[in-house]
Amino acid sequence: ETGVTQSPTHLIKTRGQQVTLRCSSQSGHNTVSWYQQALGQGPQFIFQYYREEENGRGNFPPRFSGLQFPNYSSELNVNALELDDSALYLCASSWELGSGETQYFGPGTRLLVL
Amino acid sequence: AQSVTQLGSHVSVSEGALVLLRCNYSSSVPPYLFWYVQYPNQGLQLLLKYTSAATLVKGINGFEAEFKKSETSFHLTKPSAHMSDAAEYFCAVSVTGGFKTIFGAGTRLFVKA
Repeated sequence: ETGVTQSPTHLIKTRGQQVTLRCSSQSGHNTVSWYQQALGQGPQFIFQYYREEENGRGNFPPRFSGLQFPNYSSELNVNALELDDSALYLCASSWELGSGETQYFGPGTRLLVL
Repeated sequence: AQSVTQLGSHVSVSEGALVLLRCNYSSSVPPYLFWYVQYPNQGLQLLLKYTSAATLVKGINGFEAEFKKSETSFHLTKPSAHMSDAAEYFCAVSVTGGFKTIFGAGTRLFVKA
């Protein structure tokens, strides 16, 4: 059983560009959440997908968008990158939708915006 | 709205000493509470979680945490620190019917030989 994987591991972009980050869920998991972790801070919830539908969203602007595919893998897209978007982006998958469900985290994608 | 406060951004202990990492939460409804560990350049790994069963929760690697409703606390402890415990620890909260998990700012644990 493979765990949660994310690609790429590192990425450098310039301000104003667009970026797509990818996440492959753990086998059998139908729920994916994305988090932004700035340096020295805890993860901040961006949004969650359940069975290809967005289930909830945190306090992030619309230029942060996502997708979940039929195989439950997921993408995070960020348009018009800003310097403050530099962070570690984590995805986490779980068996089912539910507040008490254990989330399994990927290693993250570290994004640097210059 | 839920929130989490972790007291102490850095904690330093000697190898073999007690580890105590503090977490207080705020929630208007019964919470689910979690402790995660993050090693450098890695994602988060679940240590333990409280889901309204036993108030004393045992996790992996010898860690445990006690849910105290009266104190709104969920402190993480380990009787004897090991060098491999050096990492960042995050407390988190979610609630029934909610969709997001709220994380604290984290506590970095240093273990001295």
